[in-house]
Amino acid sequence: DIQMTQSPSSLSASVGDRVTITCRASQSISSYLNWYQQKPGKAPKLLIYAASSLQSGVPSRFSGSGSGTDFTLTISSLQPEDFATYYCQQSYSTPPAITFGQGTRLEIK
Amino acid sequence: QVQLQESGPGLVKPSGTLSLTCAVSGGSISSSNWWSWVRQPPGKGLEWIGEIYHSGSTNYNPSLKSRVTISVDKSKNQFSLKLSSVTAADTAVYYCARGNYLVGAIRAFDIWGQGTMVTVSS
Repeated sequence: DIQMTQSPSSLSASVGDRVTITCRASQSISSYLNWYQQKPGKAPKLLIYAASSLQSGVPSRFSGSGSGTDFTLTISSLQPEDFATYYCQQSYSTPPAITFGQGTRLEIK
Repeated sequence: QVQLQESGPGLVKPSGTLSLTCAVSGGSISSSNWWSWVRQPPGKGLEWIGEIYHSGSTNYNPSLKSRVTISVDKSKNQFSLKLSSVTAADTAVYYCARGNYLVGAIRAFDIWGQGTMVTVSS
């Protein structure tokens, strides 16, 4: 199985801050990496797909980068509605065995 | 637009079988997408359970494969999950989701159901 490790596990930041979350795969996954945002009691929401493509309707302050084993999600200027938990997810395995990172909880400082 | 809605019992007895259905509305389950189940134990992260294509092809999480069956009913535009021999560790919110090919062979879960809580308890 391909393991996905996110860092940090939790993060405190202030409105207006630039924030970066990292996701590392246990083996190369090319660009088969997606990012989701989840708020309490809600289903996850797709933010970034294929490592760097912004999902329709997602604010441009969200961006993704990376390929191979190391990936980042960046929020350029935190807004109050961005405080949530973020997950990375890979779909590279053959046969498909989709795995998620353990999540990064972004809290208000 | 496509919407997903999970349904099924909220309480299952230990050693029993958990059964859930995901109804697809606003689109066809026979589109070129995979249809997945994902679960989330209380206070924990997301775990992919498995997926199905409208042809009936399936892929399962290796850690759950021996207990999971996912099936599709094209006439009802829905797909279903059965998880056997459940224990308290299977208590979770269960989501259905659409795996869409957004770039080449890379797919992502772009549409999710609202989730349904299933508790395993006697």
